[in-house]
Amino acid sequence: DGGITQSPKYLFRKEGQNVTLSCEQNLNHDAMYWYRQDPGQGLRLIYYSQIVNDFQKGDIAEGYSVSREKKESFPLTVTSAQKNPTAFYLCASSEGLYNEQFFGPGTRLTVL
Amino acid sequence: AQKVTQAQTEISVVEKEDVTLDCVYETRDTTYYLFWYKQPPSGELVFLIRRNSFDEQNEISGRYSWNFQKSTSSFNFTITASQVVDSAVYFCALSEVNTGFQKLVFGTGTRLLVSP
Repeated sequence: DGGITQSPKYLFRKEGQNVTLSCEQNLNHDAMYWYRQDPGQGLRLIYYSQIVNDFQKGDIAEGYSVSREKKESFPLTVTSAQKNPTAFYLCASSEGLYNEQFFGPGTRLTVL
Repeated sequence: AQKVTQAQTEISVVEKEDVTLDCVYETRDTTYYLFWYKQPPSGELVFLIRRNSFDEQNEISGRYSWNFQKSTSSFNFTITASQVVDSAVYFCALSEVNTGFQKLVFGTGTRLLVSP
């Protein structure tokens, strides 16, 4: 089955630690995205990538970093510089510029 | 700037009732796309519909229907004969195409609770 996988589903981190969230897609989509969702709010764009080896900052990129070495993979690192990292993180991909985005199941990150 | 407003934070209905979720958007572009997504308790967003700014025809898909009105900048979503499985958070989103990539701006969502 084609789709997007994110791991782990739940992640706990101590303050001051970096943590990497995985996102893999087998839809052969060029574009991939990372969003953050906080309770009672919509999704906010962290980073996006339109093609391998290229990515751009979204609206709330501070404290986050990404890489796009393979078309299928777009990992997100939450660094210790992110002041309030506890949130639900969603990865998405799309085939083209105007097509709908498909989302993964999300990773819930909690900083202890 | 783009903006999507979903003024209804939470709606509660009884099964078989019809319910309409409101979405109002702001954009200066003449070319844009509107979307609806469903987020069940599991957390994954499920795509429901995409509509471009040049197509104002209403759309029906089973119990779901969408009313797009450019004159009022609204893209409302109606569920007919609601079911318990419709309980979820529903997001409306807007995408402008002049930015060079598909940037989705989401509303804050409407939580729909359907009780038996």
